[in-house]
Amino acid sequence: GAGVSQSPRYKVAKRGQDVALRCDPISGHVSLFWYQQALGQGPEFLTYFQNEAQLDKSGLPSDRFFAERPEGSVSTLKIQRTQQEDSAVYLCASSEDSRRAFFGQGTRLTVV
Amino acid sequence: DQQVKQNSPSLSVQEGRISILNCDYTNSMFDYFLWYKKYPAEGPTFLISISSIKDKNEDGRFTVFLNKSAKHLSLHIVPSQPGDSAVYFCAASAQGAQKLVFGQGTRLTINP
Repeated sequence: GAGVSQSPRYKVAKRGQDVALRCDPISGHVSLFWYQQALGQGPEFLTYFQNEAQLDKSGLPSDRFFAERPEGSVSTLKIQRTQQEDSAVYLCASSEDSRRAFFGQGTRLTVV
Repeated sequence: DQQVKQNSPSLSVQEGRISILNCDYTNSMFDYFLWYKKYPAEGPTFLISISSIKDKNEDGRFTVFLNKSAKHLSLHIVPSQPGDSAVYFCAASAQGAQKLVFGQGTRLTINP
C-alpha cells in the first residue's frame, strides 16, 4: 500500500478485556515500530521489529503487552486485561533505514 | 527523564511571517534529529531531518538548524501558511538505537 495502515481506527474496550491492534507497514519496509501516545504528550516507544525479529521491547509497560510480526510484514499489538491507564493512541511506524520512520494514523483505544 | 524537550506548548504566528519552533535535548549520543507534523486524528507526518554532521538542512519553506554545543535544534517555516497549523514534534535517535525519542510537541497556529 501507499502508507502504513492501522486497524481499527477506534476501539472501546471494557476494563479487563483483551484487545488486538493491527498494523500493515509500507511494503518492503524491514523495520516496524509501535509507539504509545497519551493525550497531550509525544509518542513513546514501545517495541521494535526488524523483519520478524523483535529486537527491542524495552518500552512495553507491562507483561500485559505483547507484540508479534510472525512473517516480517503485518504486526499485531495485543493488550491483555486492559486497564484504564492503557487508554491512548497506539501508533505504528515502518522504516526502510530505521532512521526515518513513517507513521500510520493510529488506533485510539479507550478503556471504560 | 525527558531527553527531548519542547518548552513551548503553543505558538501563534501571523500568516506570511516566520515560525520558529525550538527543541532541546540532553543525550549527547543523539546523532539524528527529525521534525514531524501532526494534524488531529492523523498520525505524525515526517517533515524534515538533520544528521549531527550538519548544522543546517533546508527543504523548501522548512529549514532545520542544529547547534550541537547547545544541544538545541530549531525548525524555521517561512513564509508561514494557514495549512501549517498543526502540532509539531521534535524527535531524536542515537546511532545503533532504532527508536525515536519525542518531545511533547508544540501546537502552531497560523493566523490569517
